[in-house]
Amino acid sequence: DAGVTQSPTHLIKTRGQQVTLRCSPKSGHDTVSWYQQALGQGPQFIFQYYEEEERQRGNFPDRFSGHQFPNYSSELNVNALLLGDSALYLCASSLGQAGNTIYFGEGSWLTVV
Amino acid sequence: AQSVTQPDIHITVSEGASLELRCNYSYGATPYLFWYVQSPGQGLQLLLKYFSGDTLVQGIKGFEAEFKRSQSSFNLSKPSVHWSDAAEYFCAVGGSTNAGKSTFGDGTTLTVKP
Repeated sequence: DAGVTQSPTHLIKTRGQQVTLRCSPKSGHDTVSWYQQALGQGPQFIFQYYEEEERQRGNFPDRFSGHQFPNYSSELNVNALLLGDSALYLCASSLGQAGNTIYFGEGSWLTVV
Repeated sequence: AQSVTQPDIHITVSEGASLELRCNYSYGATPYLFWYVQSPGQGLQLLLKYFSGDTLVQGIKGFEAEFKRSQSSFNLSKPSVHWSDAAEYFCAVGGSTNAGKSTFGDGTTLTVKP
């Protein structure tokens, strides 16, 4: 039973560029949440996707957008990258929006230079 | 707005000693509380959760946590720490059973001395 998988594991981008991160949820899960974890801080909720729509959103600018596909996998897109976007981006999956147990992937490390 | 405070940035305990990690939350309604562990290079793993009922919650790996509404706390404990428990621990609060939309504290790093 595959857990939550994320790609790429590490990447380096230049300020102003755009990045796409990918997430495949745990088998059987249909809800995907994205978090940003800056160094030395806890994860911060970006948004949550269910039934291919953004259902919940945290306090992040519109430069952060996402998508969920019919197979429940998801993408996180960040436009016009800033140095402050450098962080570990975590994907978590659950069953339904009321899913009280979430499983995290190992994350994608993004460095913006 | 909900928030979580983990007062201890770093804790060091000897192997075999007891452990308590503190967590204070701020939330206007009934909180849904979680503890996660993050080992280096790995994602977060759920240790335990509290929604209602018995205020003492048992989790995996021998951890337990006690919900104290009067103190707005949800402290994590373990009677005897193992070297493999060295990791970062995060407390989180949510407003519903939607665990995917949680507010996390900044974590406590646990070091275990041999």
